[in-house]
Amino acid sequence: EAGVTQSPTHLIKTRGQQATLRCSPISGHTSVYWYQQALGLGLQFLLWYDEGEERNRGNFPPRFSGRQFPNYSSELNVNALELEDSALYLCASSLAERLGFNTEAFFGQGTRLTVV
Amino acid sequence: AQSVTQLGSHVSVSEGALVLLRCNYSSSVPPYLFWYVQYPNQGLQLLLKYTSAATLVKGINGFEAEFKKSETSFHLTKPSAHMSDAAEYFCAVSETPGGYNKLIFGAGTRLAVHP
Repeated sequence: EAGVTQSPTHLIKTRGQQATLRCSPISGHTSVYWYQQALGLGLQFLLWYDEGEERNRGNFPPRFSGRQFPNYSSELNVNALELEDSALYLCASSLAERLGFNTEAFFGQGTRLTVV
Repeated sequence: AQSVTQLGSHVSVSEGALVLLRCNYSSSVPPYLFWYVQYPNQGLQLLLKYTSAATLVKGINGFEAEFKKSETSFHLTKPSAHMSDAAEYFCAVSETPGGYNKLIFGAGTRLAVHP
């Protein structure tokens, strides 16, 4: 069974541009989470999507946005890129979180975004 | 507010030696605690989780962790380190059992294992 897949694996953008990162969850998973892993800042929760809706977001500015498609895949968009947006962006998926703690979140390998 | 502190950003052990990675948490509600491992150029893999059942939790790859409420700790141990254990380890806390969207991660501890 395929795991969580993210594309692209590496992305280089110029400051001020927009970046689009993609995530395909494990088949049957409806919840998708995005995390940012920036050097020196650790892992920080960005966004949670479930059943096509944004359910929660972390402490990030509005230029970080995303969506979840009917097939449960997800897109993270970062507008007006800043140098400090350079980080590894991890996507994870799980069964619907409302099912409780017996779910487990599985992580993809991430997209490394570099802003120059 | 919840928080996680991992003591020691880098830990180095000899192959066959005990591995001890420290994690202390702060939570105003009974916490749910997790340990994840990240190998180079890979995502996170769940090692184990504490969900208010047994205080000693056994995970994959021979790791285990003990929840100590009085010490607000959830340290990760392995009796005998293997070269393949070299990776970065993250402790995380959530206030809900399935709360992956509310996970608060520690800064991580990079484990090096030398022959």
